[in-house]
Amino acid sequence: SQQGEEDPQALSIQEGENATMNCSYKTSINNLQWYRQNSGRGLVHLILIRSNEREKHSGRLRVTLDTSKKSSSLLITASRAADTASYFCPWGQGNLIFGKGTKLSVKP
Amino acid sequence: GAGVSQSPSNKVTEKGKDVELRCDPISGHTALYWYRQSLGQGLEFLIYFQGNSAPDKSGLPSDRFSAERTGGSVSTLTIQRTQQEDSAVYLCASTPPGAYTEAFFGQGTRLTVV
Repeated sequence: SQQGEEDPQALSIQEGENATMNCSYKTSINNLQWYRQNSGRGLVHLILIRSNEREKHSGRLRVTLDTSKKSSSLLITASRAADTASYFCPWGQGNLIFGKGTKLSVKP
Repeated sequence: GAGVSQSPSNKVTEKGKDVELRCDPISGHTALYWYRQSLGQGLEFLIYFQGNSAPDKSGLPSDRFSAERTGGSVSTLTIQRTQQEDSAVYLCASTPPGAYTEAFFGQGTRLTVV
């Protein structure tokens, strides 16, 4: 399979804690993206990191990319109940391949 | 303008009937994707259109599934002789030109085959 894999499959934390989720992929990429899907259907783009970047920040989000290990991580700091969602890291050159995602639950 | 628009929002059909799902991408976006998401699962890639190139149909699960993109804009996903296992949310996304661009998703069509 060419799809990436998010890890862990599920994560439950308390509000205010940090959440870290990881993503692995199998072939070379030119960029990797993280998306969030709340209960319901729409997916929202969070952040894109290029293959020549190692770290990127956006608000409470921090993404790292290690192309030698073909892995990425997403850190959400000071989590909020509204961060409860599934998180995906599709990747690809042209096409976007999705894994099963990480289901994050933030308890108030 | 508006985001990616999908219609209908919900569709209930009888087993064996054909259905058409529509996707209106954002104007100017060159790439268009169709995905299927079953309850509690990830997104399953179906088909990918990029400009005038031949579409990548490698994700279509059977020959009952087909998709067209007319005039490089609107796309229709057709499922013939629907089966209960076709029940899922069908999501469409589009991306603007460029190598480092995000995908914009529609809200999906929830298909229920009874």
